[in-house]
Amino acid sequence: QVQLQQSGPGLVKPSQTLSLTCVISGDSVSSNSAAWNWIRQSPSRGLEWLGRTYYRSRWYYDYAVSLGSRIGINPDTSKNQFSLQLNSVTPEDTAVYYCARDPPYCLSCLDVWGQGTTVTVSS
Amino acid sequence: QSVLTQPPSVSGAPGQRVTISCTGSSSNIGAPYDVHWYLQLPGTAPKLLIYVNNNRPSGVPDRFSGSRSGTSASLAITGLQADDEADYYCQSYDFSLNAYVFGTGTKVTVL
Repeated sequence: QVQLQQSGPGLVKPSQTLSLTCVISGDSVSSNSAAWNWIRQSPSRGLEWLGRTYYRSRWYYDYAVSLGSRIGINPDTSKNQFSLQLNSVTPEDTAVYYCARDPPYCLSCLDVWGQGTTVTVSS
Repeated sequence: QSVLTQPPSVSGAPGQRVTISCTGSSSNIGAPYDVHWYLQLPGTAPKLLIYVNNNRPSGVPDRFSGSRSGTSASLAITGLQADDEADYYCQSYDFSLNAYVFGTGTKVTVL
């Protein structure tokens, strides 16, 4: 059974970097047939996909255009996890952040989700 | 910000059938990219309910069904139960945005 366990701070100051980690059990971040995503949810923006990473002989990265160069998603094969970094945060980045797996059996669906991390951007 | 449009709320009496629409465009549902549906209870992560338009993950009752046509999709819930009260979201892929896109969400109320 695949499980995702998130960790990271719940409070980030404006202009600083938001960092979250998602530990995978029951699957591999290096899987040749899965993709690993970050999504956030807020009352004002609803569910918003942030980006993903996946391995197909090499690593690929896709990010939401709206985030520009502020976002990075990094796999860590030694710990079987992936992380989210969001730079220069503002109060608009306040949201519940989720990691999720896009499984081998469907392109673009999200079948396993982390428990969610509430992140507040405030001084 | 949501690319896919859903009605804010639908309601029905126990045992009734309700449907939730999800309207997209030619760059997502109409492309055609698959549509997936999620159920979300308060304070929890979304849960995959329907994948690839009309497939149910193991454990999801056959009271839930999905369909897709043109630039829209729909989720049907038959034999409505009190436990079905939740928020429901559709999701697809958009090639012009190169992004996964979600619906605005629909709150289902059992009267």
